[in-house]
Amino acid sequence: DVKVTQSSRYLVKRTGEKVFLECVQDMDHENMFWYRQDPGLGLRLIYFSYDVKMKEKGDIPEGYSVSREKKERFSLILESASTNQTSMYLCASSFDQGPYGYTFGSGTRLTVV
Amino acid sequence: QKEVEQNSGPLSVPEGAIASLNCTYSDRGSQSFFWYRQYSGKSPELIMFIYSNGDKEDGRFTAQLNKASQYVSLLIRDSQPSDSATYLCAVSPSGTYKYIFGTGTRLKVLA
Repeated sequence: DVKVTQSSRYLVKRTGEKVFLECVQDMDHENMFWYRQDPGLGLRLIYFSYDVKMKEKGDIPEGYSVSREKKERFSLILESASTNQTSMYLCASSFDQGPYGYTFGSGTRLTVV
Repeated sequence: QKEVEQNSGPLSVPEGAIASLNCTYSDRGSQSFFWYRQYSGKSPELIMFIYSNGDKEDGRFTAQLNKASQYVSLLIRDSQPSDSATYLCAVSPSGTYKYIFGTGTRLKVLA
């Protein structure tokens, strides 16, 4: 089975802190994604990457950045955490070709206080 | 703006009944269609995908696709309380691997 592993299940950070969320996949997927999920708003794409060192902004990139130095790892960075970034963060990965769908990690519930 | 629409529910069905979940999409060129199940507090889990018109069956689940009418549905036969979850529809628009997700339909199966 494809495994997408997110480093933390729950995180509590203070306003203004720099926050790193890590995601690792073990099936050689080309594409990786970061979403946030909030009640009533569904899944919103923050950033995605289709290759090492490549990244593209999603629908809500403000306040976030990403890094993909290796194919299996995709990191989401909150440059200066704010309370409105309290959310569930989901990492996903997929092959570049074929209708195989995304595989999601277990999610990180981030609370910014 | 490409959109995927789902009724938020909750859709309540008695145990053993057929649950019917529907999804419409705006991009006529969409290629692939996915159904994810998400239990409360958990991440989405892929349960079905379909890319050809018609029906696709997998156990108690049937996905139905009608590209002319731009809708995709998921039928769950012999619904069980363990099927109670939010079901997300996702669509792959033409020329991209970025899926568009609906906001999900919450299903409650009553014992």
